[in-house]
Amino acid sequence: EVQLVQSGAEVKKSGESLKISCKGSGYSFTSYWIGWVRQMPGKGLEWMGIIYPDDSDTKYSPSFRGQVTISTDKSISTTYLQWSSLKASDTAMYYCARQAGLNDAFDIWGQGTMVIVSS
Amino acid sequence: DIQMTQSPSSLSASVGDRVSITCRASQSISTYLNWYQQKPGRGPKLLINVASSLQSGVPSRFSGSGSGTDFTLTISSLQPEDLATYYCHQSYTTPWTFGQGTKVQIK
Repeated sequence: EVQLVQSGAEVKKSGESLKISCKGSGYSFTSYWIGWVRQMPGKGLEWMGIIYPDDSDTKYSPSFRGQVTISTDKSISTTYLQWSSLKASDTAMYYCARQAGLNDAFDIWGQGTMVIVSS
Repeated sequence: DIQMTQSPSSLSASVGDRVSITCRASQSISTYLNWYQQKPGRGPKLLINVASSLQSGVPSRFSGSGSGTDFTLTISSLQPEDLATYYCHQSYTTPWTFGQGTKVQIK
């Protein structure tokens, strides 16, 4: 079964660092871009960036460039999203998703990782 | 950035009704348009890609149309399990962008 499994919920304080993960299985992990999408409480979907696990080529949304780092370890089929200094406004659900198909739709989604940052 | 504007923001319809959601892009995106369904408390699910290609396993009451800047998601006969928020998404050029979502409620 093709799936993306994300790490569990996190509760952190402002200023702390955090790295969440997304592990792919059931397909050739290095052959598909993986994206990250933010959903703030009660709000819509926001595209953060994508990474190609084979060569770590990364593209960021201008809204998130410099705020987060997307990385990958292809030896363990895992992609990461990390913050060096969290803010309360980073409180959100974060989804990873595989990009595929004729026009790069997100066809497989992780279950989401809830990040809560208290000030 | 390409802006994606959905309308309406929410709608309420009866079981069996025909429902349409529109998505307008701020510039032409050919058919690089995808639709997702997000049920309450769940993650998004891809329904349609390339504007009109139904994903495997998605009920045939869902359909998509359009090209260029104007797109439509149609549910031909609304069912109780269609209660969800629907998002359009352009993958024509980065940064990819989503519409703001359309919440579909059942009367």
